[in-house]
Amino acid sequence: SQQGEEDPQALSIQEGENATMNCSYKTSINNLQWYRQNSGRGLVHLILIRSNEREKHSGRLRVTLDTSKKSSSLLITASRAADTASYFCATHPSGSARQLTFGSGTQLTVLP
Amino acid sequence: GAVVSQHPSRVICKSGTSVKIECRSLDFQATTMFWYRQFPKKSLMLMATSNEGSKATYEQGVEKDKFLINHASLTLSTLTVTSAHPEDSSFYICSARETQGVGGSPLHFGNGTRLTVT
Repeated sequence: SQQGEEDPQALSIQEGENATMNCSYKTSINNLQWYRQNSGRGLVHLILIRSNEREKHSGRLRVTLDTSKKSSSLLITASRAADTASYFCATHPSGSARQLTFGSGTQLTVLP
Repeated sequence: GAVVSQHPSRVICKSGTSVKIECRSLDFQATTMFWYRQFPKKSLMLMATSNEGSKATYEQGVEKDKFLINHASLTLSTLTVTSAHPEDSSFYICSARETQGVGGSPLHFGNGTRLTVT
């Protein structure tokens, strides 16, 4: 079965720096989504990028998608301490009604 | 935005007892809800898909008699962990998709339930 793999598993940066997280997957997809999870809480949807899109922006978030490499990246610019959380990519396989498959996540720590 | 309420947020129970977790969509109707289990520092593992008015669809390896799911209305799904054992201790999270949403559309998550079985 398909699974998204995030890289790195953990990332620690200083406030104000940019944070980049990567996600790789194995099969063709309809879309790829990024979610954020604060410790001990549920997930919050951040952004969705469709398979025919290459880049998408939302505030300080920038997502890219390279379907030829089966990979996506999430860039958070000008990070803040409040951005500290786990970030997960989730893929929706194409050609089926199968549900989202979540990756293993990247734990981001933004130091004040 | 769409809100999903999950209750309780934490529960401690004794081994052998049953625990019920509720998942409600507060401002939208959800034909389908999903139950996940998450281990520390790990990803979400889909346990089952809860369908309003019909039987839940369980993922491979998930015991349907142990994890009872009921989706009696368009806004409420419940997960009952029966005869709980310490190995059932985990973080359980529900999510819902708005009825008009198609497969692969964004999910709205509850805040999770931390279950500890002693």
